[in-house]
Amino acid sequence: NAGVTQTPKFQVLKTGQSMTLQCAQDMNHNSMYWYRQDPGMGLRLIYYSASEGTTDKGEVPNGYNVSRLNKREFSLRLESAAPSQTSVYFCASIRTGGPQQPQHFGDGTRLSIL
Amino acid sequence: AQSVTQLDSHVSVSEGTPVLLRCNYSSSYSPSLFWYVQHPNKGLQLLLKYTSAATLVKGINGFEAEFKKSETSFHLTKPSAHMSDAAEYFCVVSDREGYQKVTFGTGTKLQVIP
Repeated sequence: NAGVTQTPKFQVLKTGQSMTLQCAQDMNHNSMYWYRQDPGMGLRLIYYSASEGTTDKGEVPNGYNVSRLNKREFSLRLESAAPSQTSVYFCASIRTGGPQQPQHFGDGTRLSIL
Repeated sequence: AQSVTQLDSHVSVSEGTPVLLRCNYSSSYSPSLFWYVQHPNKGLQLLLKYTSAATLVKGINGFEAEFKKSETSFHLTKPSAHMSDAAEYFCVVSDREGYQKVTFGTGTKLQVIP
């Protein structure tokens, strides 16, 4: 049981390049999230998807787009990367519809933009 | 609206001594509360969760936390620190009344001195 899988694990981009971060979960979870983690700031929500076919902005959506491809997959796209987007990106998923459940996290994608 | 405040950005303890990581929260609803641990270059792992059952919650690796509604606190404790406990810890609040809005604290780095 893989849980939440993120690819790639590391990436270096040049300013202005585009890139898609992939996330897949095999737990049949309804909701999926993308966060960025920066030193001293905890995790900040970029976008989330409450269910297949829906996406909503989080706290820091500017410069990003997302696609909920199906129930398993939720991708994050940087159309024109900027140095301020250098960060560690985490994908998470959660089962909804019952007692509050914790999020399950992937291992992260470490992204550097030069 | 909900928020989480982790009162210490860094905590340093000697191996074998107690650990106390402090967390205060605010929430408009009856909250669910979580503690996660993140080891260097790793994803977030759930330590424990409070979802309205017993107010004293036991987690993995000997950690526990007590939900105190009157103090709006959810402090994390461990009787005796181990070197492997050195990591960053995040307190998280999630509202339980609808879609899971999740808010992270800014994290507390725990240093364990031999």
